[in-house]
Amino acid sequence: TQLLEQSPQFLSIQEGENLTVYCNSSSVFSSLQWYRQEPGEGPVLLVTVVTGGEVKKLKRLTFQFGDARKDSSLHITAAQPGDTGLYLCAGGYSGAGSYQLTFGKGTKLSVIP
Amino acid sequence: SAVISQKPSRDICQRGTSLTIQCQVDSQVTMMFWYRQQPGQSLTLIATANQGSEATYESGFVIDKFPISRPNLTFSTLTVSNMSPEDSSIYLCSGHRDSPYNEQFFGPGTRLTVL
Repeated sequence: TQLLEQSPQFLSIQEGENLTVYCNSSSVFSSLQWYRQEPGEGPVLLVTVVTGGEVKKLKRLTFQFGDARKDSSLHITAAQPGDTGLYLCAGGYSGAGSYQLTFGKGTKLSVIP
Repeated sequence: SAVISQKPSRDICQRGTSLTIQCQVDSQVTMMFWYRQQPGQSLTLIATANQGSEATYESGFVIDKFPISRPNLTFSTLTVSNMSPEDSSIYLCSGHRDSPYNEQFFGPGTRLTVL
């Protein structure tokens, strides 16, 4: 079983501040996915990164996959109240005809107006 | 992305009864999964729904308690049997595609409360 450590678990910041969420593992993943979930809804896929060192940007969100494909970060610039939610990282592992997704424990983000 | 729908969206059930949750995907996916989630927490995988064969259950979950069907590539059901208050949770259906990337999409969830 591959473990994915996500930090911080809780984050409360003022509107306009920047923040970074981290996911770390001792295992190598074939892909790393970030989700955002709002109360009463299912997780929504934000991005998938597959190449070591890859950086993807989605408006004010920047996602990075570590060179060794063991870690990832999500950076939000100038956070807004609409960014509030539960952010989940998930490492994907494919092999021998199987597929497995390992979730971090999540980061509960609150952006205060 | 794949669009996944679930029915019902929520239910309140009595102890000892069973509830079947339906999941429909709008396009073919290679794999389907069922997860459980407590509000504000991460997801716990219950099982992989295999088309035309028995589901593959994770440690701590058994077929008698959580029977799963997947009659075709886009539809699956999860039954929560002989419910107790400890089964109160959010149940999420998920579909996986391996092209162009390995990606997994989630339904909106079914919020179950057992009295």
